[in-house]
Amino acid sequence: AQSVSQHNHHVILSEAASLELGCNYSYGGTVNLFWYVQYPGQHLQLLLKYFSGDPLVKGIKGFEAEFIKSKFSFNLRKPSVQWSDTAEYFCAVNEDSWGKLQFGAGTQVVVTP
Amino acid sequence: EPEVTQTPSHQVTQMGQEVILRCVPISNHLYFYWYRQILGQKVEFLVSFYNNEISEKSEIFDDQFSVERPDGSNFTLKIRSTKLEDSAMYFCASSVVETGDQPQHFGDGTRLSIL
Repeated sequence: AQSVSQHNHHVILSEAASLELGCNYSYGGTVNLFWYVQYPGQHLQLLLKYFSGDPLVKGIKGFEAEFIKSKFSFNLRKPSVQWSDTAEYFCAVNEDSWGKLQFGAGTQVVVTP
Repeated sequence: EPEVTQTPSHQVTQMGQEVILRCVPISNHLYFYWYRQILGQKVEFLVSFYNNEISEKSEIFDDQFSVERPDGSNFTLKIRSTKLEDSAMYFCASSVVETGDQPQHFGDGTRLSIL
């Protein structure tokens, strides 16, 4: 069965610091990879997705993620965070032809001014 | 941008009672999903629905659960006889198609509290 692991449950950093959130999955077939963000009191929003092609994908709000197939990883990065990036971040995976998403446990990111 | 809407935002119910959670997916979407998140745990898939049929369900989605699209806009999740362990945040999602390259759009969730 697929599983998705997010390495950090809670990250605290200062504004302008760089952010990297780890995500690994366990599935040998073709997968699609997503990062969702949930701002306080809001719904899950798609940050970025990878289906095929360039393994470095850029999303909204300056986020990017790199798919490394050999490492089964899809890490999320942002070079310089802002206070408004305080949120919970979820990595999610699905198999190529099935819709259901398998989520990681989420990482709570707190950016201090 | 069109949104998935869920009502109510918070539902408090006595154990053993039936509860219906409502969702209005994005209008041109064809695939609908329910997920839940128990406090402190992962978001878990419950069920997917297409063309008035369940297309996939998880082992969580037992006989106590059912889904329905009673009209052209609503998508409901019913829990027949609620248990304490059903307390969770329930998220509805929809997508244009089921294949993985189309992202799912999520609602704000309904917080279900079973007393």
